[in-house]
This record gives sequence, structure tokens and C-alpha cells, in this order.
Amino acid sequence: RKEVEQDPGPFNVPEGATVAFNCTYSNSASQSFFWYRQDCRKEPKLLMSVYSSGNEDGRFTAQLNRASQYISLLIRDSKLSDSATYLCVVNGRPGGSYIPTFGRGTSLIVHP
Amino acid sequence: EAGVTQSPTHLIKTRGQQATLRCSPISGHTSVYWYQQALGLGLQFLLWYDEGEERNRGNFPPRFSGRQFPNYSSELNVNALELEDSALYLCASPGAGGSRETQYFGPGTRLLVL
Repeated sequence: RKEVEQDPGPFNVPEGATVAFNCTYSNSASQSFFWYRQDCRKEPKLLMSVYSSGNEDGRFTAQLNRASQYISLLIRDSKLSDSATYLCVVNGRPGGSYIPTFGRGTSLIVHP
Repeated sequence: EAGVTQSPTHLIKTRGQQATLRCSPISGHTSVYWYQQALGLGLQFLLWYDEGEERNRGNFPPRFSGRQFPNYSSELNVNALELEDSALYLCASPGAGGSRETQYFGPGTRLLVL
């Protein structure tokens, strides 16, 4: 089983739609979780951290389920500019070091 | 505050050659992470340098090596290039203080091995 797994998609949705991505991780000792966004041929950029209690940033909501070892990202009222690849990132701390593990990403295409 | 910078933006080499990629972290930051992102694959952790020392290494052969200089800039060297080394190589600075676990990426170097 891969350490961090995501459905590669693509998710093809119309503007205004709500779309959700899930990500599962295998290391139960994982400490911190993030979603990054990567535009085509660009570097990844931090979208949001994921907290145990769930957190929201505008149209984006992230949730963590430690018992089932998955995190989710919900995007409401999709915009054309949301089209990108969304990377799930899990941080373990082997020996106290911060070594992030990235999922392969989920591709989102928002069309008019 | 200047972000992470990388050079060159593109690099074309042939099999067996050596490639050198460079990175400067966010000003004042002492850590540098290197990643490889091959087509269709996720980011794979390569190396982590902090305060001039290699702190951790990913599951890559020894021909991937690097170093960090006193000014905290870093170099990634790939020897005996193979076709499958063609990828986007990303360098990242972790955030400071409470945001230490987040990563700020440079624009990357696209390496093509022919």
C-alpha cells in the first residue's frame, strides 16, 4: 500500500459545482497534514493545513479522520481558476525530522 | 522577503553525463529540501540539508548527491545520468517557527536526459 494515496481523477466539474477529494495515508503515526495546489508546469503551493477539528478557508474545507486515516478537501462554488492538481501531504517525524510524503495528486478541471 | 530560487530553469543532458542544480532558500532560512517529480508520479523526497549538513535522504541511489554551502544555498548533483532521471527537480524551504512543517517551493529545474 502506498504511503499516501489519492484518486488521480481528473474530476471534471462545471463552474459552481461542489467537489470533494479524499486522501488516505498508511502511517498512523503521521503528525501533520496539508493540501497543496499545483498548477500545470508550476511548483506546488500551500493551499491549507488540515486540523483534527476540521478547518475552513473561504470556499475550501479540509477535514481529518485519524481513525480511518484519511483527509478530505471540499471545494464549494468551483471557479475556473480552481483548475489544478491538488496534492495531499502527510508529515511523519521519524527521529524528529520533518519529511513530508506527497500523494500523486488529484486533477481538477472546472469548465464553463 | 525573497522566495526560493533555483537555477537553471531548464537543463538538457545526455545519458552518462552529470547535472548540477542549484537552489537558494528563503533569505534567513537554513534548511533546504530537494524533491524529484517525474511525469505522472508524485513528489519524491530526495535530500534534506540543514545548517550545512545532510539530515535525511530519500530512497535514491548514491549518484544523487548534494551539499549545502555556508550561505545555506544548496547544490544537487546527479551523476551518470539515466533517461529516467528526466523530471522536475524542486527545492523547498520549510516555513519558520510555527509553520515549520509547511514547504515553500522554488520554480524548479526541468531536467531532460536524452
